[in-house]
Amino acid sequence: ILNVEQSPQSLHVQEGDSTNFTCSFPSSNFYALHWYRWETAKSPEALFVMTLNGDEKKKGRISATLNTKEGYSYLYIKGSQPEDSATYLCALNTGFQKLVFGTGTRLLVSP
Amino acid sequence: DAGVIQSPRHEVTEMGQEVTLRCKPISGHDYLFWYRQTMMRGLELLIYFNNNVPIDDSGMPEDRFSAKMPNASFSTLKIQPSEPRDSAVYFCASRGLGAFFGQGTRLTVV
Repeated sequence: ILNVEQSPQSLHVQEGDSTNFTCSFPSSNFYALHWYRWETAKSPEALFVMTLNGDEKKKGRISATLNTKEGYSYLYIKGSQPEDSATYLCALNTGFQKLVFGTGTRLLVSP
Repeated sequence: DAGVIQSPRHEVTEMGQEVTLRCKPISGHDYLFWYRQTMMRGLELLIYFNNNVPIDDSGMPEDRFSAKMPNASFSTLKIQPSEPRDSAVYFCASRGLGAFFGQGTRLTVV
């Protein structure tokens, strides 16, 4: 069974702080890595799809990096805002069109 | 805990047949979600429950889809009658301190 791990499980920061969290996965099963932003009553919002070792992607204040050889990806948020509060999920795509999800990092940004 | 358990893992059925997908959430989690994943639309929230009560089913595509959660340890998603466009991967997730997704059910309707 594939294991995708995210850390920390939860994070509480102040508005304006920059933060980052980690997604770890077995490097031997890699096809693509997805990052999602998830608010409870909504569909997860796709942030990034990353496929190449060394990939760096950016969307506004959020960016992500990928290391497929060592099996990890980092998500960074620069200057956190209260509206960034959500659960951030990563999911491993092993190439069979099905995603294996991590348990998420729940971020709370206080004003 | 074995995590969120979905069954079956794969289902191939003929158009018009009834399909029932099953989910066992993690004990103690008070939220349960059903999602559908397709290449075209990504992950779509179909319905979610809080303490076994359906809270929002606005994502359920049409009357052919129904979901139940008779108790805290079991939920079903039923499609009757099934159509080829229902082919997708269906995920169940439960949420406590963390979000836990099942391995998904790959449904193919031919």
